[in-house]
Amino acid sequence: TQLLEQSPQFLSIQEGENLTVYCNSSSVFSSLQWYRQEPGEGPVLLVTVVTGGEVKKLKRLTFQFGDARKDSSLHITAAQPGDTGLYLCAGARASGTYKYIFGTGTRLKVLA
Amino acid sequence: NAGVTQTPKFRILKIGQSMTLQCTQDMNHNYMYWYRQDPGMGLKLIYYSVGAGITDKGEVPNGYNVSRSTTEDFPLRLELAAPSQTSVYFCASSPQGANEKLFFGSGTQLSVL
Repeated sequence: TQLLEQSPQFLSIQEGENLTVYCNSSSVFSSLQWYRQEPGEGPVLLVTVVTGGEVKKLKRLTFQFGDARKDSSLHITAAQPGDTGLYLCAGARASGTYKYIFGTGTRLKVLA
Repeated sequence: NAGVTQTPKFRILKIGQSMTLQCTQDMNHNYMYWYRQDPGMGLKLIYYSVGAGITDKGEVPNGYNVSRSTTEDFPLRLELAAPSQTSVYFCASSPQGANEKLFFGSGTQLSVL
C-alpha cells in the first residue's frame, strides 16, 4: 500500500502552460516536502511545508499544504523546459518518527 | 565539502552474491537513510538511523541489513542478491529528522542478473 499517491503520474505540456501536481494520503503528516530529481542524480529539496493550510512560493512554483495535513499540491505557472524532471513529495509522519516516506512521483516534460 | 558520498556508482551482481553499498557523510548529521528507486518510480525507504548504534526498518527492509557504528558511515548490506533487488539505491542524511532537508548522494545503480 502506497502511503502517498501522486497524480498525474506523467505530464507532457508545452512551454508557457500552467500545471498542478497533487500529493494525497489518508494519513496525517507533521511536515511535507517537495523534491525535484533529474536523471542520474539524487532528489533536491524545493520546499518544506509544516502548517496546515500553508502556502509557499518559489518563483513560478506555488506549494500548498492541506488544512488537515494529509495532502499537498504543487502549481507551476508558465512552465519552462528547465522545469522538466521527476517531482516527488515526501512526508514525515506525525507519529514522532523521522521516517520520510516518498510519493509515487510525477514525471514532467515541458516541450519548447 | 563532499556532502553524502556513495560507492560504488555501478555494480552488477550474480544471483546469490552479496555486497555492501557504502555511504559516508561529512556534515555530522545524526539521521541517515537508505532508499531504493525502481525505474520511473518514487523512493522506498529501506532502513534509517537516528544516530550511531541505532537503526530501524523502513518500508522494504527484507533482504537488506544495515549498521551504524559511526556518525559518518551507514553501509547497506545485501545478502543473497535477487533480481528483485535490481534498482538505484540512494543514501541520504539530515541534521535532525522531521522538517529537515534530506541531503542525497548520487546513487548506486545495481543490477542483479
